Amino acid sequence: EDKVVQSPLSLVVHEGDTVTLNCSYEVTNFRSLLWYKQEKKAPTFLFMLTSSGIEKKSGRLSSILDKKELFSILNITATQTGDSAIYLCAVAGYGGATNKLIFGTGTLLAVQP
Amino acid sequence: DGGITQSPKYLFRKEGQNVTLSCEQNLNHDAMYWYRQDPGQGLRLIYYSQIVNDFQKGDIAEGYSVSREKKESFPLTVTSAQKNPTAFYLCASSIRQGGQPQHFGDGTRLSIL
Repeated sequence: EDKVVQSPLSLVVHEGDTVTLNCSYEVTNFRSLLWYKQEKKAPTFLFMLTSSGIEKKSGRLSSILDKKELFSILNITATQTGDSAIYLCAVAGYGGATNKLIFGTGTLLAVQP
Repeated sequence: DGGITQSPKYLFRKEGQNVTLSCEQNLNHDAMYWYRQDPGQGLRLIYYSQIVNDFQKGDIAEGYSVSREKKESFPLTVTSAQKNPTAFYLCASSIRQGGQPQHFGDGTRLSIL
């Protein structure tokens, strides 16, 4: 059965810290891995990764994919209170009727002042 | 601005009632999706639609129904057959079926009175 596992489930840090969020997956016919940030409502898209070893970066956030070891990490440097959110990892696969996204349970990040 | 609008934000249902959640998008996307989010669980796919007048069951379709009469609209009805309807419901769209990323609405929180 396809699955996506995120760790840790929750994390509390102080402003200025660097955090690393993990996402491992077992998905048939892997197509892409996506990261979303969810504050109180809509998940907002952060990154989509399709190739191993190529870092995607946006400001203080960066992410990389390892297709051999089947995982991805999301790094946030110099954290701010506005980074507090649930971070969702999702994997898209080819084939089947849906080409659907399979979501992990998310990592709840709390950044304290 | 282009986006996905879900309404209402909060909805209360009496046992035995059907309720309908609205989802409208002006992104000109072909594919639309409904997810359910419960605490401690990832997003789970209820129904999806690739094109007008077509829709398919996702992983947890029992007790739900949808229609896709217009490209812009994909309403979800939670029927009385859904025994545990209390959850956060998210609507998403993508440019085509299987296309990524999916973009999300702000969600509807449904509670049972």
